[in-house]
Amino acid sequence: QVQLQESGPGLVKPSQTLSLTCTVSGGSIKSGTYYWTWIRQHAGKGLEWIAYIFYSGSSYYNPSFKSRGTISVDTSKNQFFLNLTSVTAADSAVYYCATYTRETAFDIWGQGTLVTVSS
Amino acid sequence: EIVLTQSPATLSLSPGERATLSCRASQSVSSYLAWYQQKPGQAPRLLIYDASNRATGIPARFSGSGSGTDFTLTISSLEPEDFAVYYCHQRANWNTFGQGTRLEIK
Repeated sequence: QVQLQESGPGLVKPSQTLSLTCTVSGGSIKSGTYYWTWIRQHAGKGLEWIAYIFYSGSSYYNPSFKSRGTISVDTSKNQFFLNLTSVTAADSAVYYCATYTRETAFDIWGQGTLVTVSS
Repeated sequence: EIVLTQSPATLSLSPGERATLSCRASQSVSSYLAWYQQKPGQAPRLLIYDASNRATGIPARFSGSGSGTDFTLTISSLEPEDFAVYYCHQRANWNTFGQGTRLEIK
């Protein structure tokens, strides 16, 4: 069973770039089954899809993040990544990595990592 | 962007009662509607996909219905572990989520 684990800095300064890693275990990131996904959740609020990527590199973004976000994949490390540039306090949230399939939805989730943007 | 509106915001019920949660889309999403359960400090868990299909391992007391713009998640008889926040999600046009319904113990 695929498992996901997010990692990254808990604290990022305003205007800097947020970089997150999701490590995939229990399966290959080259599986043609999944789109590898980032979703975030502001404290006490709802969920916001950021982007997903196929192992081949084909990526899809929420239009709200297309100018600042970059999702990428490293098949040799079984990891995928999110970079979010020019962060502000509004980017403070729990960031989840997840899997998306065309057959179901977001069906496997990491535990989430809290990111705070503050000087 | 398709906006999903969930109602009620909070639902107060007792164990054993039936829960009915609603999700309305601002335009048709066909049957591309999913439901998730989230407990405090945990990631969301997929319950229902494509409006009415239970995800793997989800108990039969959870059921989903609807199509187009109006959807319902029903929990037939509440168990103590069902008290949580529930989100709907559409994947017909990119991906958006509702704001959530908090199901609390009365």
